[in-house]
Amino acid sequence: GAGVSQSPSNKVTEKGKDVELRCDPISGHTALYWYRQSLGQGLEFLIYFQGNSAPDKSGLPSDRFSAERTGGSVSTLTIQRTQQEDSAVYLCASSLFGAGMGGYTFGSGTRLTVV
Amino acid sequence: DQQVKQNSPSLSVQEGRISILNCDYTNSMFDYFLWYKKYPAEGPTFLISISSIKDKNEDGRFTVFLNKSAKHLSLHIVPSQPGDSAVYFCAASARGSQGNLIFGKGTKLSVKP
Repeated sequence: GAGVSQSPSNKVTEKGKDVELRCDPISGHTALYWYRQSLGQGLEFLIYFQGNSAPDKSGLPSDRFSAERTGGSVSTLTIQRTQQEDSAVYLCASSLFGAGMGGYTFGSGTRLTVV
Repeated sequence: DQQVKQNSPSLSVQEGRISILNCDYTNSMFDYFLWYKKYPAEGPTFLISISSIKDKNEDGRFTVFLNKSAKHLSLHIVPSQPGDSAVYFCAASARGSQGNLIFGKGTKLSVKP
């Protein structure tokens, strides 16, 4: 597609439920990143994919968080047994060249609210 | 421990004047720096970048200055326009980090007409 597409744009879930967030990167972009922005905070790195593999998962805050990428394209971020502190905007970005050459292209994000 | 710091959460500037947004970093391995702009309900968009081999990069109304000895960079917008009102994030990347960007907390710029 023309840009990075994320769905849903908004998600309200009850504490303890599982949620799945989806990211469709720009076609041909091999690198894909997940970040989250909690209220009043900067963008916190979660995980990075190069193709289908995730060389850097260092930002995942707990084992309730997991992500996968299939076909070198779509990625899903899954949060199990959601907690209120998981409420944030989850942003996906993709790039051809990593941080260089203008950095990433971000999607509009999924706003997750855990009640 | 924050590696990229934007100490001013907000800045208000009159239209036509200069906006200066500041960013400090602690990791001497950072060699590439970027500024992103974010409007509400949208993802951040790339604005301008600078490599550590330079001390200045200019693109139209936007100029980024890098002071490596002080581990400080700044974004100058001149003249500022009301459409520039947004949150500005400073980001940095280290050689060998696979392109992972470390972001600051952002500065909300308001340009008053």
